[in-house]
Amino acid sequence: QVQLQESGPRQVKPSQTLSLTCTVSGGSLRSTFYWTWIRHLPGEGLQWIGYVYHRSTTYYNPSLRGRLSISLDTSKNQFFLNLSYVTAADTAVYYCARGDDYGGKLDSWGQGALVTVSS
Amino acid sequence: DIQMTQSPSTLSASVGDRVTITCRASQNVGTLLAWYQQKPGKAPKLLIYKASTLQSGVPSRFSGSGSGTEFTLTISSLQPDDFATFYCQQYNTYSYTFGQGTKLEI
Repeated sequence: QVQLQESGPRQVKPSQTLSLTCTVSGGSLRSTFYWTWIRHLPGEGLQWIGYVYHRSTTYYNPSLRGRLSISLDTSKNQFFLNLSYVTAADTAVYYCARGDDYGGKLDSWGQGALVTVSS
Repeated sequence: DIQMTQSPSTLSASVGDRVTITCRASQNVGTLLAWYQQKPGKAPKLLIYKASTLQSGVPSRFSGSGSGTEFTLTISSLQPDDFATFYCQQYNTYSYTFGQGTKLEI
């Protein structure tokens, strides 16, 4: 059974870059799944951030495009989220997940990482 | 973006009740709709995909229906473990979007 685990700094200063790693066990990033990031904004709801597929194909939420980068390292079985120029509005619980069906069917999730943007 | 609207926002029910949650899409999403259950402090869990297909391991008291712009999630007989927040999600059109959630409480 595939398992995902987020790691990375839990506090980031405004204007800096939020960086998270998702480590996948029990499955290979070489498989044809969509490795996805989602966040849960406080008081709002779930927001789909984007995915990386088949090593280098990506799709990003247009509202974050320009600040966002998602990549993967198959040798480490990890994929990554980098979100630059963060503000307090980026404070959220960030989840990594495995997607199927063009990335829409999110069948395995990490436990989530609360990242706070604050000086 | 396609807007997903769930109703009700909060639903009070009792163990054994049959409950239905509705999700409406602002545009036609076909049957590319999923339902998730989330408990406090936990990640969402996939229940239903393609509007009506039960994810492996999910109890059969959960069912989904609908197509186009209107969808429902039904729990046939509520169990104590079912009290949580439920989200619908469309994956017909980028960027994929979620409903605001329905909190099912005792």
